[in-house]
Parts: sequence; structure tokens; C-alpha cells
Amino acid sequence: DADVTQTPRNRITKTGKRIMLECSQTKGHDRMYWYRQDPGLGLRLIYYSFDVKDINKGEISDGYSVSRQAQAKFSLSLESAIPNQTALYFCATSDLYGGAETQYFGPGTRLLVL
Amino acid sequence: QKEVEQDPGPLSVPEGAIVSLNCTYSNSAFQYFMWYRQYSRKGPELLMYTYSSGNKEDGRFTAQVDKSSKYISLFIRDSQPSDSATYLCAMSVPGGTSYGKLTFGQGTILTVHP
Repeated sequence: DADVTQTPRNRITKTGKRIMLECSQTKGHDRMYWYRQDPGLGLRLIYYSFDVKDINKGEISDGYSVSRQAQAKFSLSLESAIPNQTALYFCATSDLYGGAETQYFGPGTRLLVL
Repeated sequence: QKEVEQDPGPLSVPEGAIVSLNCTYSNSAFQYFMWYRQYSRKGPELLMYTYSSGNKEDGRFTAQVDKSSKYISLFIRDSQPSDSATYLCAMSVPGGTSYGKLTFGQGTILTVHP
């Protein structure tokens, strides 16, 4: 079984709808992240959480919210989806590796907002 | 100006070629430098990391960091079709509130054709 799972893998929704993307991990890591990936823009950080009670905004948090339900679960919500939120969304967890954080990514959720 | 700039590519090379992938950055506080590889329809996975300046070799892959020029490179020797992927550079600062947060380049799409 994959260490970091994301559901759904693909989602089509309409402008104005509220949707939730879910992430679960079995790696036992405290740190979890949500990114979006757009062509030509790389990965941009939306929110991150260093433990269940510590949630922080990333560089592009407007229009998004998150919930850390447990150490293993971190959900991303789009309160009112808009077309420019069409992107590939990744969840990641991290631990220390030789002093550097190594991030482990899920398989991604492909979101299309019409 | 983005904190991390990556040559956009795409890059197409014949099997057996030496590939050079590069990133420049503006934040002198970056100390950890990483390369992630992302296959189509998959999440990124850590390929190599280096701390501060210098070279690191792992099989056919060599990572170089030149902090004086704020420039990092990944070299792939004897490239194989299985190396075809998107390569993302990533960087982070040690300690403090930014600890663990990665800043990614835009990614370079590499195709190695037989």
C-alpha cells in the first residue's frame, strides 16, 4: 500500500462548488503539506502543518482552507471553486534526512473547475 | 523575480548523452539543495540532496552546488529512456520558522529517446 494516499485522484466540479481533497499517510510523520502544480510554475505551497495543532499558510493560501484531523490526515478544501484553481494538487509528508527535510509526495489529485 | 529559477526546457536528448539540468536562486539563506524526479502522473520523489557547496555523486547522477554563484546543477551520465521525467530543483533554509519548507523551481521536462 502507498505511504501517502490522496482521494479523489481526479475531480471535475463547477464554479462556486465546495470541494474537499483528502490526504492520508502511514509514514508516521508529523509534518504535512499541500501543494499545487501548474505548468511552468512548478510546485507552490498552499498550507503546511507541523503537527495537529500547528497549521500555517503557504505562499498561495487565498481561496483554500485545511483541516488536520489527526496526525495521519490532512484535508484541503476549496470553499467556492473557481476556474483558476484548476491544477494538480499534491499532498506531502516529511521527516529529517541527514539534517534536511525529505518530503514524500502522494500521487496527486487532478482538479478541473468548469 | 522568483526565488528559484529553473531552465524551462523541455530537453530532448539521445540515449547515452550527458544531461545537464540547472537552477539559480536569489536567497542566500538556502543551505539544503535537492533534486526531485517526477514521472508522468506521479508525485515527485527525492533523487539527491546536498548541503551547502560541493559535489555529490550517486551512480550516474552528480549534483553540484556553487553557493558563490547561487547556482546548482544535476548531471546525468549515460542517460537512459527510463530517465525521461520532469526534474525539479528544491531548496530550503535550516532552522527557524521556515525550517522544512521547500521552494521549488519550475521543473524541466526531460525526454531521452532510444
